[in-house]
Amino acid sequence: DTGVSQNPRHKITKRGQNVTFRCDPISEHNRLYWYRQTLGQGPEFLTYFQNEAQLEKSRLLSDRFSAERPKGSFSTLEIQRTEQGDSAMYLCASSRAQFATGANVLTFGAGSRLTVL
Amino acid sequence: KQEVTQIPAALSVPEGENLVLNCSFTDSAIYNLQWFRQDPGKGLTSLLLIQSSQREQTSGRLNASLDKSSGRSTLYIAASQPGDSATYLCAVRENYGQNFVFGPGTRLSVLP
Repeated sequence: DTGVSQNPRHKITKRGQNVTFRCDPISEHNRLYWYRQTLGQGPEFLTYFQNEAQLEKSRLLSDRFSAERPKGSFSTLEIQRTEQGDSAMYLCASSRAQFATGANVLTFGAGSRLTVL
Repeated sequence: KQEVTQIPAALSVPEGENLVLNCSFTDSAIYNLQWFRQDPGKGLTSLLLIQSSQREQTSGRLNASLDKSSGRSTLYIAASQPGDSATYLCAVRENYGQNFVFGPGTRLSVLP
């Protein structure tokens, strides 16, 4: 297990199409996060899973966005009816809760870059 | 709403210099703070995590400090090397929830 894997690395689509990104976290990590990053900005939180439960969702996650983590392992992020403003890098991160210390070190994947034409 | 800022936005230094990157946050009710490194077109790599009860953390040539009451953290890089060139981001996790709020980053260039 070499880290967090994201696919595809780059997706070019036309406005109005649906796209789906996949994230495979580190196997022993029970927490999974999706972030969105645009050029020159820090990542913005989208949603968080603990095991298969989606526990937090940002207001950025409009009705066109949906995320799942069906068996508490991999996760998918789907964007329906894409808009040009959706163009960004979509980052996945995972972590394992360290209840004794409270530490929560995030391990990020390389990201999936979306370009909407 | 928590806001995180980083100064400077970009920094260029000659190899061998010591340098300090600054991070400020508006709400001091944080659980922890992390510093990350991001290389162009890639994901983020965690460098240091400081719990809210800690004052500093060290890893090799990196030292991060936290002053929660004033809403500030600094990342000190000793004896900088060209391989340190990257964007450095800080992120705070608030006391409630699992959301990490990121700053915009400082783009560091270390010239050989």
